[in-house]
Amino acid sequence: KQEVTQIPAALSVPEGENLVLNCSFTDSAIYNLQWFRQDPGKGLTSLLLIQSSQREQTSGRLNASLDKSSGRSTLYIAASQPGDSATYLCAVRPSGGYQKVTFGTGTKLQVIP
Amino acid sequence: KAGVTQTPRYLIKTRGQQVTLSCSPISGHRSVSWYQQTPGQGLQFLFEYFSETQRNKGNFPGRFSGRQFSNSRSEMNVSTLELGDSALYLCASSLRLAGEWGSYNEQFFGPGTRLTVL
Repeated sequence: KQEVTQIPAALSVPEGENLVLNCSFTDSAIYNLQWFRQDPGKGLTSLLLIQSSQREQTSGRLNASLDKSSGRSTLYIAASQPGDSATYLCAVRPSGGYQKVTFGTGTKLQVIP
Repeated sequence: KAGVTQTPRYLIKTRGQQVTLSCSPISGHRSVSWYQQTPGQGLQFLFEYFSETQRNKGNFPGRFSGRQFSNSRSEMNVSTLELGDSALYLCASSLRLAGEWGSYNEQFFGPGTRLTVL
């Protein structure tokens, strides 16, 4: 059974700081990994999707990396802004047939002006 | 291009009632997944539909059911509501089903339906 963990559960940083969010998964047989952000009471916004054959993806100030062998993905946010404050979730889709997506527990990020 | 839409956005029901939630995927998307989100359990997978067929199901009781129509719109139904069913129900759509050739399976989520059971 795939288990996905995100540490820390909460993070508070001053504006302008670069930061890294972590996502760990127990089964390396994955199809892809997707990072989302969620604002309070809202749905999820897709940030980046990494296929199992890829090592990283970039979009603007965001960079996500994937290391299947160690069961880890990181989301790097450069020059953080107050608007980045949200909960960040990673989701893993296993490979092999119709496998369900497993979400991590999330990291709640607060960027202080 | 319109995003994923969910109706209604808010619902208040009492124990024992039943409820139907609706999800319209992004135009052209054929796969729809449903999730339940609660503070205690986080995001949990309910089911996934593709071409009007349920392709995968999470660990929820039979009171939770769903269906998908020929236009890819999906509904989920919860019968005999319990207090613990209070949650944010999220729907996600993707272009194809996992494993299809060329599929990246990026999921796009709707705003959710907030269900409160009294």
